Amino acid sequence: DTGVSQDPRHKITKRGQNVTFRCDPISEHNRLYWYRQTLGQGPEFLTYFQNEAQLEKSRLLSDRFSAERPKGSFSTLEIQRTEQGDSAMYLCASSLATGRTEAFFGQGTRLTVV
Amino acid sequence: AQTVTQSQPEMSVQEAETVTLSCTYDTSESNYYLFWYKQPPSRQMILVIRQEAYKQQNATENRFSVNFQKAAKSFSLKISDSQLGDTAMYFCAFMKHPLLTGGGNKLTFGTGTQLKVEL
Repeated sequence: DTGVSQDPRHKITKRGQNVTFRCDPISEHNRLYWYRQTLGQGPEFLTYFQNEAQLEKSRLLSDRFSAERPKGSFSTLEIQRTEQGDSAMYLCASSLATGRTEAFFGQGTRLTVV
Repeated sequence: AQTVTQSQPEMSVQEAETVTLSCTYDTSESNYYLFWYKQPPSRQMILVIRQEAYKQQNATENRFSVNFQKAAKSFSLKISDSQLGDTAMYFCAFMKHPLLTGGGNKLTFGTGTQLKVEL
């Protein structure tokens, strides 16, 4: 297991299109998180899963955003009807729920909406 | 809600010298963790060091150490013997204790300090 992987690394899309990102967490990690990072800012929490259950969503996660984690393994983040303000780095992280709970991050997906 | 403030947008240090990055935070929680993460130009966030709020002893990891002042809500990172590979964006982050407060392990980040190590 080489860590958290995200796909694609870069995505350029036209305004109004739908995009989907994938995250594969570290295999034994039961928690998975999505963060958004805009230029010059720290990552901001979007949502997290414990196994397949989505336990918390930030108010940043508008109705156009949806995240899933079927079977408690990989996760997808979909953005519908993209807007220029959605341009950002989308980071995925995973962790254990108990014990050493620090998060391990993927390399992110850079989204550019033109 | 928690807030994390990093007041130094950029810093530079000569190779082999020591540098300290500042972080302050605000919370009403008494049980929490604090972290420093490093984000090199490749963009993958890497954990540098963590501190549990109930521990008075400052955490150390090789060349990295923290000065945790709970009453002042301050959490600075000291990097000794700086190396070129330390060049990165450094983020301070806060997490409520997941078991004691019932929250998930979500992190609240500061805006980061861009550190450049120079020859």
